[in-house]
Amino acid sequence: SAVISQKPSRDICQRGTSLTIQCQVDSQVTMMFWYRQQPGQSLTLIATANQGSEATYESGFVIDKFPISRPNLTFSTLTVSNMSPEDSSIYLCSVDTGLGLYGYTFGSGTRLTVV
Amino acid sequence: GENVEQHPSTLSVQEGDSAVIKCTYSDSASNYFPWYKQELGKRPQLIIDIRSNVGEKKDQRIAVTLNKTAKHFSLHITETQPEDSAVYFCAASIRKLTFGTGTRLQVTL
Repeated sequence: SAVISQKPSRDICQRGTSLTIQCQVDSQVTMMFWYRQQPGQSLTLIATANQGSEATYESGFVIDKFPISRPNLTFSTLTVSNMSPEDSSIYLCSVDTGLGLYGYTFGSGTRLTVV
Repeated sequence: GENVEQHPSTLSVQEGDSAVIKCTYSDSASNYFPWYKQELGKRPQLIIDIRSNVGEKKDQRIAVTLNKTAKHFSLHITETQPEDSAVYFCAASIRKLTFGTGTRLQVTL
């Protein structure tokens, strides 16, 4: 399966600032996804990062708050903008290994604390 | 969109007993149903999955069953061990995963 490198692994940020999270995959993948996992909660899909086009956002998430880039088939970034304490969560990227064989692998996550 | 419900939210079993976690989904178009195990501070790890054309799948002590008509699927863990203690998530997919709310499994000695 694909190996995903995600960074930073954790960060403590001041409210009002932005943080960009990077996700690098060791192979080309069609679909990349960004999830948020709030403390003690399940995973919620933020958006699907599409190569060569804008990301597709889920209900409740907007591009101004969570801009996403997908410059190629192995890399994506998620920015958490104008942060507030409510943005404190774990953010995870995930890829679909494709080839018609479903298999979603997750990065190690970014633990974000906003103070 | 898809909605996945998961029960129970917590489950405590004695070592050696079986554990069963149940999920229901809403969208009949969902065709892939993975289960993830997440230990504290770690990423979700895929433990077993099943596709919509299969009714049951087993991998050692873990099995998953799928009832497409009723739109529910279940995870069965037999001969539970302390290292099975974790949070388990079910998910349903039509090209993107929708997760259940999670089950915290505690295996006691």
